[in-house]
Amino acid sequence: NAGVTQTPKFRVLKTGQSMTLLCAQDMNHEYMYWYRQDPGMGLRLIHYSVGEGTTAKGEVPDGYNVSRLKKQNFLLGLESAAPSQTSVYFCASSYSNRVNIQYFGAGTRLSVL
Amino acid sequence: DAKTTQPNSMESNEEEPVHLPCNHSTISGTDYIHWYRQLPSQGPEYVIHGLTSNVNNRMASLAIAEDRKSSTLILHRATLRDAAVYYCILRDSGAGSYQLTFGKGTKLSVIP
Repeated sequence: NAGVTQTPKFRVLKTGQSMTLLCAQDMNHEYMYWYRQDPGMGLRLIHYSVGEGTTAKGEVPDGYNVSRLKKQNFLLGLESAAPSQTSVYFCASSYSNRVNIQYFGAGTRLSVL
Repeated sequence: DAKTTQPNSMESNEEEPVHLPCNHSTISGTDYIHWYRQLPSQGPEYVIHGLTSNVNNRMASLAIAEDRKSSTLILHRATLRDAAVYYCILRDSGAGSYQLTFGKGTKLSVIP
């Protein structure tokens, strides 16, 4: 079992460029999440999905879009990257139960110059 | 989600027990207490969770105060691999709550 896999692991963008981060999970989880983590900070939720074809905004959604066309994949898009989006991005997934234990990927380090 | 308070950092000698405290005085009756840890350059990893009773698993033990206003994560024998940031998180088990609210956590250093 791979668990939660994120691609790419590293990326450098110029301001205004676009990119898509891919998250794939093989645990048949209903819920999926995208977080960002800035230096010395905890994780903050960007967007989440409670099932295929559904998405919702989290705490810091501005500048990002997401799609969940397949249950196992959750894509995070940056349409026009800004230096403020330099961060480490983590994807997570969980079962749809009350306890909601989340399983995280290894992260994508993104630098926007 | 209700707020938690943890020490910024702690140190432990290798192979000794470690007690990581967490205060959550505003916890509600439906909040689960979750602990995650994040090793350097990795994503967070689930450690343990509990509601009212003490819990044990292969990674750690969770001791919950009788009034639920505080809890302690116990690592029975710290190893170098346990050096990480440990997050204590309250998760509302009610419908419509999906987010894990991460604070700054406790950075645990393990001394060989």
